Amino acid sequence: AQSVTQLGSHVSVSEGALVLLRCNYSSSVPPYLFWYVQYPNQGLQLLLKYTTGATLVKGINGFEAEFKKSETSFHLTKPSAHMSDAAEYFCAVRNTGNQFYFGTGTSLTVIP
Amino acid sequence: DAGVTQSPTHLIKTRGQQVTLRCSPKSGHDTVSWYQQALGQGPQFIFQYYEEEERQRGNFPDRFSGHQFPNYSSELNVNALLLGDSALYLCASSLVAEGYTFGSGTRLTVV
Repeated sequence: AQSVTQLGSHVSVSEGALVLLRCNYSSSVPPYLFWYVQYPNQGLQLLLKYTTGATLVKGINGFEAEFKKSETSFHLTKPSAHMSDAAEYFCAVRNTGNQFYFGTGTSLTVIP
Repeated sequence: DAGVTQSPTHLIKTRGQQVTLRCSPKSGHDTVSWYQQALGQGPQFIFQYYEEEERQRGNFPDRFSGHQFPNYSSELNVNALLLGDSALYLCASSLVAEGYTFGSGTRLTVV
């Protein structure tokens, strides 16, 4: 069975500071992992994904994530936060049938 | 290139009524999945359609049903609405084994 746990439902950072959003997964098969961002009253936009190969994945808007099998983690980072990064972020794992399991989300606030 | 289109964007229904939500997938995509996102929660999988058949289903009652048409568009139907059905309903399309493209959702409010 697949599941995702996002640690911290709310994260606040200062503009220009490091962003770190935590995600741990549980999967009975090699996982396909995703990070999505959701702005108010909008759908989900794909930030990045890990399927196979390089464990450090780069996405849009300067975000990246590292797949660590030994820690069952897929944390999302960005070196320098921008005001426009304020949004809800969801980590997800996909099963072999293309069904996604989402975490409960982390709300990111960027303080000017 | 149009992405995933959902209609309507907002909807208010009375408890006990029935509702139909519609989704047009991204051009070239043949698989449509529906998710329910309650306020403050992550999306929960309802079901997935491929080749006009329901291929997978999440833990939702039979009040939730769907359909996929030959042009790959899809409908989500919910009967006997409950207050707890109030949520953002997201449609996502994909090619098999690729990532999703999400629509902006339909906000359903049951009063």
